[in-house]
Order: sequence, then structure tokens, then C-alpha cells
Amino acid sequence: GEDVEQSLFLSVREGDSSVINCTYTDSSSTYLYWYKQEPGAGLQLLTYIFSNMDMKQDQRLTVLLNKKDKHLSLRIADTQTGDSAIYFCAEQERRNEKLTFGTGTRLTIIP
Amino acid sequence: SQTIHQWPATLVQPVGSPLSLECTVEGTSNPNLYWYRQAAGRGLQLLFYSVGIGQISSEVPQNLSASRPQDRQFILSSKKLLLSDSGFYLCAWSDGAREAFFGQGTRLTVV
Repeated sequence: GEDVEQSLFLSVREGDSSVINCTYTDSSSTYLYWYKQEPGAGLQLLTYIFSNMDMKQDQRLTVLLNKKDKHLSLRIADTQTGDSAIYFCAEQERRNEKLTFGTGTRLTIIP
Repeated sequence: SQTIHQWPATLVQPVGSPLSLECTVEGTSNPNLYWYRQAAGRGLQLLFYSVGIGQISSEVPQNLSASRPQDRQFILSSKKLLLSDSGFYLCAWSDGAREAFFGQGTRLTVV
């Protein structure tokens, strides 16, 4: 079955870049997503990448996809205190459109 | 525009009591619907998903059940809650194209 893995924690100094990594197993994934969850809130879609793309940039966010290694990363440039949250990676199956999430990475910003 | 409603926002229930969480979607038809649970210190876990009325797929064996009595209504239920059912429950919908939209979540505490 499909599986998505992430590191549980990441600490970054304010102003530095944050890189959150994710690995997945389903080679037939169509879309790969990054979601953000702030404390006590629901999920917010940050960005997504189609499986035939290698990179996508959106303002401070850069998504890199290595299909060969099934590795996805999210880079946040100039990390701010408002970026503190849990970041979830997710893959969507081509066959039945099911979404599978990783465990989430808690990003902590050090002043 | 499409919206998703999930209620209640918080719920405290005794062990052994029944549960009913409701999720409704507006502004779209025939959505894919999902129930996720986020337990403390863990990532999102897909509980159920549905691609149509009366069609429910269960991802993990558990004390919970789901029903979809109408196209845009998804209900999460339990006959007898366990302590381990405590967590943050998220309803979501997607049209299978790209993005999934999440409700604000229900924090369930079983005491």
C-alpha cells in the first residue's frame, strides 16, 4: 500500500531557509501536495505539484520533486515566525484519487 | 463558491457514549469525501473516503463507521466511544482534479 514519511520536527532560525522533506511509495501518484496546519486549525493547502514536474516556485515556497527517488521537498525562503506550523506532505493516487498524508513536520522558528 | 461545514468544533463525550459528526459541502456536486483523524503527536490518518452516495471505503479497522446518505453529506459515527477515539477529526472534499478542501475540524475528547 501507499506510505508517506516525513521527519517529525524541524527547527530553523528566523530569516534562514527551511527545507521540509517527504518520501512516498506510490509511483502512480498524480499530484503531490504540501499542507500547513496552524495550532488548533484545519488544514490549508500551500502548494501542489503535478507528478510530471520537477520544480514549482510560488513566492517564498519552492517544491522539488525527484520521481526516481520518490522524494518531495518544500523550501521556505526567509522563514518568519508566522511560518511556525505543522507541514503535511500528501500524495494522490491516480487510480481512485485517494489522498494519503504523511505524519507532518512541526516547524519551530528560533528568534 | 464551494464551502465545507463541519460540526461541532469541540466535543467532550464519556466512554461508551455514541458519536455523530456531520460534514456537509456546498457549491459542488458528486465530490469525493474524506474523514481524517489526527491523534496527538501523530500525523493525519485517513479513516474513510467516499466517491459517491452509499459508497464508503474504510482504511483502518476501528470503532468508527461512516455513512453518506446524501451527495454532499458525510457522517462519522460510533455506537460506543473508546478513550482511544480522542483526537482531531477533519472532513475534506475534493473534485478529483487538484485540491482538497478541509473543514475546520472537530476536537473530540473522550473522558
